[in-house]
Amino acid sequence: GIQVEQSPPDLILQEGANSTLRCNFSDSVNNLQWFHQNPWGQLINLFYIPSGTKQNGRLSATTVATERYSLLYISSSQTTDSGVYFCAPFGASYDKVIFGPGTSLSVIP
Amino acid sequence: DSGVTQTPKHLITATGQRVTLRCSPRSGDLSVYWYQQSLDQGLQFLIQYYNGEERAKGNILERFSAQQFPDLHSELNLSSLELGDSALYFCASSVLTSAEQFFGPGTRLTVL
Repeated sequence: GIQVEQSPPDLILQEGANSTLRCNFSDSVNNLQWFHQNPWGQLINLFYIPSGTKQNGRLSATTVATERYSLLYISSSQTTDSGVYFCAPFGASYDKVIFGPGTSLSVIP
Repeated sequence: DSGVTQTPKHLITATGQRVTLRCSPRSGDLSVYWYQQSLDQGLQFLIQYYNGEERAKGNILERFSAQQFPDLHSELNLSSLELGDSALYFCASSVLTSAEQFFGPGTRLTVL
């Protein structure tokens, strides 16, 4: 089945810093979602992005499906950005969503 | 608030018991998904239903079963519970298969 890798596994940022999270996947995909799991366990939709670039406030995401990766950019990070970020591709040759292992982000004041 | 509801929020039970987790999808969504999140296994897809029919299966144990009812709510039944079944169980819904999924708040199951 599809393999999903996320990097870095852990990230500590000073408040106000920028960061780029990466998701690599081994198979072609029909869609891809980015989620933020906050410290209370809630999974929050960030982007639904099978290809191209989308922006939402301080966050933006780019998926290059032909090269099998997606990037999540966080600018001017805030302490409320802390948590785990998951990418979840949904494949063309399989009908399941596979979650990556996540990037654990801690933003310190 | 995603619009997906799950009950109960917390469940504590003993090994060998059986429990039922309930999920109501967002209004208009036909597809329901169940996921298990444990510390050692991460977020794992269990099963998907679309308009009452099973659509895809993941790493779901034989002791677990699910169904989607005519009103589109879904239930996940976990039986012969083991300590290792302790986890956060999420339900998600989407309009169609492969469309954007929205997650409920989860049910935290503790098996003692």
